[in-house]
Amino acid sequence: AQKVTQAQTEISVVEKEDVTLDCVYETRDTTYYLFWYKQPPSGELVFLIRRNSFDEQNEISGRYSWNFQKSTSSFNFTITASQVVDSAVYFCALSGDRGGTSYGKLTFGQGTILTVHP
Amino acid sequence: AAGVIQSPRHLIKEKRETATLKCYPIPRHDTVYWYQQGPGQDPQFLISFYEKMQSDKGSIPDRFSAQQFSDYHSELNMSSLELGDSALYFCASSLPGFLNTEAFFGQGTRLTVV
Repeated sequence: AQKVTQAQTEISVVEKEDVTLDCVYETRDTTYYLFWYKQPPSGELVFLIRRNSFDEQNEISGRYSWNFQKSTSSFNFTITASQVVDSAVYFCALSGDRGGTSYGKLTFGQGTILTVHP
Repeated sequence: AAGVIQSPRHLIKEKRETATLKCYPIPRHDTVYWYQQGPGQDPQFLISFYEKMQSDKGSIPDRFSAQQFSDYHSELNMSSLELGDSALYFCASSLPGFLNTEAFFGQGTRLTVV
């Protein structure tokens, strides 16, 4: 069985602060995929990133960066210089590899509510 | 670019009624997934279809059924609605080899059962 845990239920920061959202996962698959999605108040799920388990290179996209550490089963997400528009619920998710029971479907964490105050 | 289209966006039904949610995938996407997100919860996988055949099933109640049609659109049918069925229902679509691409989510259908 797969499991994704987001330790922080809610985070509140002031604009321009950096903020890190934690994600820890459990899986028995040797190859798997990790995702982050953003859910703004309007409700849609916005894809942010997909990471293969065999690629541990960290990634930066503008103010967003992701730190994947296979040794600790973590895939943390950092927003640098946060803005009010970053306020949303952020979900970490996991999917297994082809041939596994969890292939093609996402297991989500509980979500972290991020509020950025002006 | 075309996205996943879900209709209706909002739906209000009474207990014991029936609801049908529709999902139109991105053109050339032949795989469709349905998720249910209760208030304050994370999305939970319900069911998926690949090439019009059910490919996987999650925690979908027996009162729910779904299918994928020849044009690849999918419908989720929900009968004997209960208050607990009130949720945001997402549809996602992807190309074959899901993990070669991300699954694109629709904007969701918000179902309220009263």
